[in-house]
Amino acid sequence: AQSVTQLDSHVSVSEGTPVLLRCNYSSSYSPSLFWYVQHPNKGLQLLLKYTSAATLVKGINGFEAEFKKSETSFHLTKPSAHMSDAAEYFCAVSEAGFQKLVFGTGTRLLVSP
Amino acid sequence: NAGVTQTPKFRVLKTGQSMTLLCAQDMNHEYMYWYRQDPGMGLRLIHYSVGEGTTAKGEVPDGYNVSRLKKQNFLLGLESAAPSQTSVYFCASKTMGQGGSLGTEAFFGQGTRLTVV
Repeated sequence: AQSVTQLDSHVSVSEGTPVLLRCNYSSSYSPSLFWYVQHPNKGLQLLLKYTSAATLVKGINGFEAEFKKSETSFHLTKPSAHMSDAAEYFCAVSEAGFQKLVFGTGTRLLVSP
Repeated sequence: NAGVTQTPKFRVLKTGQSMTLLCAQDMNHEYMYWYRQDPGMGLRLIHYSVGEGTTAKGEVPDGYNVSRLKKQNFLLGLESAAPSQTSVYFCASKTMGQGGSLGTEAFFGQGTRLTVV
């Protein structure tokens, strides 16, 4: 069965420093992987997705993620954090042959001035 | 362009009361989902539907029922609300896409905050 583990419940960075949010997945088949962002009291917005094309995926707002099959990872990075990046981030997996979209428990990103 | 609309946005229920949450999407999507979001637990799938007239159980279906009588609407019902169902509920929809729904993006509503007292 497909599942996602987000390794950090909270990540704190200073504005202008790099961001790394970690996600590991479990899937029996070739998965699609997604990162979503949720700002306070809002719905979820797609940042980027991996669907078996290029392993390095670029998303909105300067975020990118790299699919590493050997490590079953899909970590989210950004070279330089901005105050507006403070939000909760969710990694999700969808598996071939299954219609479900399964989410991790989320990582709250805190950005300090 | 409304996208995914959830009603109501807020609701307070007494234990034992019933209610229905409505999700409507105007993107002609085949797949629709209901999730609940609780602190530290992420989004957990309650029920989902792959087309009009079809529904399936997710991870946490107990205490909930759903119906998809029309393609654009997905209803979530609580027959007898319990305090454990206090949560934020999100509806999402996605298209099947070419070759299946694997890589298509899910679009989310703004959520319904439900409190059961």
